[in-house]
Amino acid sequence: AQKVTQAQTEISVVEKEDVTLDCVYETRDTTYYLFWYKQPPSGELVFLIRRNSFDEQNEISGRYSWNFQKSTSSFNFTITASQVVDSAVYFCALDAMNRDDKIIFGKGTRLHILP
Amino acid sequence: NAGVTQTPKFQVLKTGQSMTLQCAQDMNHEYMSWYRQDPGMGLRLIHYSVGAGITDQGEVPNGYNVSRSTTEDFPLRLLSAAPSQTSVYFCASSGAYNEQFFGPGTRLTVL
Repeated sequence: AQKVTQAQTEISVVEKEDVTLDCVYETRDTTYYLFWYKQPPSGELVFLIRRNSFDEQNEISGRYSWNFQKSTSSFNFTITASQVVDSAVYFCALDAMNRDDKIIFGKGTRLHILP
Repeated sequence: NAGVTQTPKFQVLKTGQSMTLQCAQDMNHEYMSWYRQDPGMGLRLIHYSVGAGITDQGEVPNGYNVSRSTTEDFPLRLLSAAPSQTSVYFCASSGAYNEQFFGPGTRLTVL
């Protein structure tokens, strides 16, 4: 079975602190994609990043970075020098290509950045 | 491009009523899906489609029907609304790299 676990339901940090959001996934497939999405208070869902299972390189985009480790089935997301605008719910998702075409989401982590 | 559009944005139904949530995309994406979002439950897949004429069930399909007669449209039908279907519904379509583009959502309340 495929599963995405975001163990952190809610996190609060003070502005300018770094914060890491955890994502652990389960799949028997060897080919899959992992994603992160952001849902700000306005409610829309915004795509942040996609990573395929053959590419374990970490990625950095401005203050955002992602650490993908197949050995621990994790795809963690770090925000450096957090800002109030980073306050949102963040979802991790899994798309296992070799089975059905279902894209499964974690339950999300609500991040509060306190001024 | 309008991206993914959903109508209506808000809807209130009485128990037992039926309705259709509309979803359309203009990006020529083959894959489309419907999710519902409830507090603490994340996004749960209701139904999805890998192309016109092909649909399949997700995690929580009971009480919902879908059809995909064209690439652009993927309506979600509630056959007999129940209070348990009160939720925010998102439609999405997937691009060439499988990233999903979401519509703005429909907030449905069933009384």
